[in-house]
Amino acid sequence: EIVLTQSPGTLSLSPGERATLSCRASQSVSSSSLAWYQQKPGQAPRLLIYGASSRATGIPDRFSGSGSGTDFTLTISRLEPEDFAVYYCQQYGSSWTFGQGTKVEIK
Amino acid sequence: EVQLVQSGAEVKKPGESLKISCKGSGYSFTNYWIGWVRQMPGKGLEWMGIIYPGDSDTRYSPSFQGQVTISADKSISTAYLQWSSLKASDTAMYYCARRAGGVGAVFDYWGQGTLVTVSS
Repeated sequence: EIVLTQSPGTLSLSPGERATLSCRASQSVSSSSLAWYQQKPGQAPRLLIYGASSRATGIPDRFSGSGSGTDFTLTISRLEPEDFAVYYCQQYGSSWTFGQGTKVEIK
Repeated sequence: EVQLVQSGAEVKKPGESLKISCKGSGYSFTNYWIGWVRQMPGKGLEWMGIIYPGDSDTRYSPSFQGQVTISADKSISTAYLQWSSLKASDTAMYYCARRAGGVGAVFDYWGQGTLVTVSS
């Protein structure tokens, strides 16, 4: 099973700042089969990024994904108030596994 | 509009059985895999298993194999997750999600979640 480790556990930032979230896999993720989801309290997760760098339908361009192999990054260029949430990476190249999540909170 | 609508919250006692549901609409239900994801209180997401309603082909995460049963009734566009004997540790929110088509095996649409509470 591919284990995904996200860092940091919590990111404390102010609106307008840049957020950089990391996701590291225990082994190479095939075909960049890496996705990012956003989850707000009391809501289901929402797909943001698939294929490591492609934005899902309706996702603002302030969200971007990068990386390959075992190291992936989600960047939020300028945080909006609605972006404060928990973010999960997921690999889907070999079954499915999720990282443990990074909480982006208001500083 | 694609929608996955899950059954309502459940409160059960240890040892009881339970079957929760996920009804799809707005797309061809038989042509897309439906997965189930667990979220324990205050914790992250765990993939449990997935089913293809067209032929009921089912795969389970090793962590959940033998612990739950996933099924589907394509005639009513509904997938199910069931337990034969609940434990307190099954207390969690359970989500169903549709596996996307052309963009890869991501989960592009999610149900609203079903909260299962197991307590004596």
